[in-house]
Amino acid sequence: EDQVTQSPEALRLQEGESSSLNCSYTVSGLRGLFWYRQDPGKGPEFLFTLYSAGEEKEKERLKATLTKKESFLHITAPKPEDSATYLCAVQHGGATNKLIFGTGTLLAVQP
Amino acid sequence: DTAVSQTPKYLVTQMGNDKSIKCEQNLGHDTMYWYKQDSKKFLKIMFSYNNKELIINETVPNRFSPKSPDKAHLNLHINSLELGDSAVYFCASSQDRFESQYFGPGTRLTVL
Repeated sequence: EDQVTQSPEALRLQEGESSSLNCSYTVSGLRGLFWYRQDPGKGPEFLFTLYSAGEEKEKERLKATLTKKESFLHITAPKPEDSATYLCAVQHGGATNKLIFGTGTLLAVQP
Repeated sequence: DTAVSQTPKYLVTQMGNDKSIKCEQNLGHDTMYWYKQDSKKFLKIMFSYNNKELIINETVPNRFSPKSPDKAHLNLHINSLELGDSAVYFCASSQDRFESQYFGPGTRLTVL
């Protein structure tokens, strides 16, 4: 059964304190792994798609990496505006295109 | 210029009522989705339409019925609302069934 596990559930950082969020997955033939950011009271905002092990993508202070079993979202020198819930989702390579989401990591960056 | 919009944003209703949520996207995408996000923030797919054709229909009570009048619109009708239906419902769209999905702002449904 396809499964996505994110850790930690919650993370509190000081401004400028770099860290990483983890997304572990089991899926029958990964087609893509997606990262989203969700602010309170809003819909998830697309960040990255990763397709194959070894792939990396960057956007401002965020960098996403992918291995055959997990993905990391690295946050370098975070700012308070990076505070949000970060969601990971996998899409397997079968006929269906559905995304299987993890339960997210709630990130709080304190000034 | 809202890409994916939903109405209403909040919906408070009594058990047993019937209600609808509307979704529109102006991105020119072919595929649209409905998701349910529970109180623990877990996001789960309910339905997906590709060019007005139903392609994903998860294990959802048949009180929930999606309708896609055209590629830009996907509505969700819920009959005989129950307490357990209280959640945030998100609409999303993507260029095709495999591309990145873009979400609307959500509709918070509260059933009393």
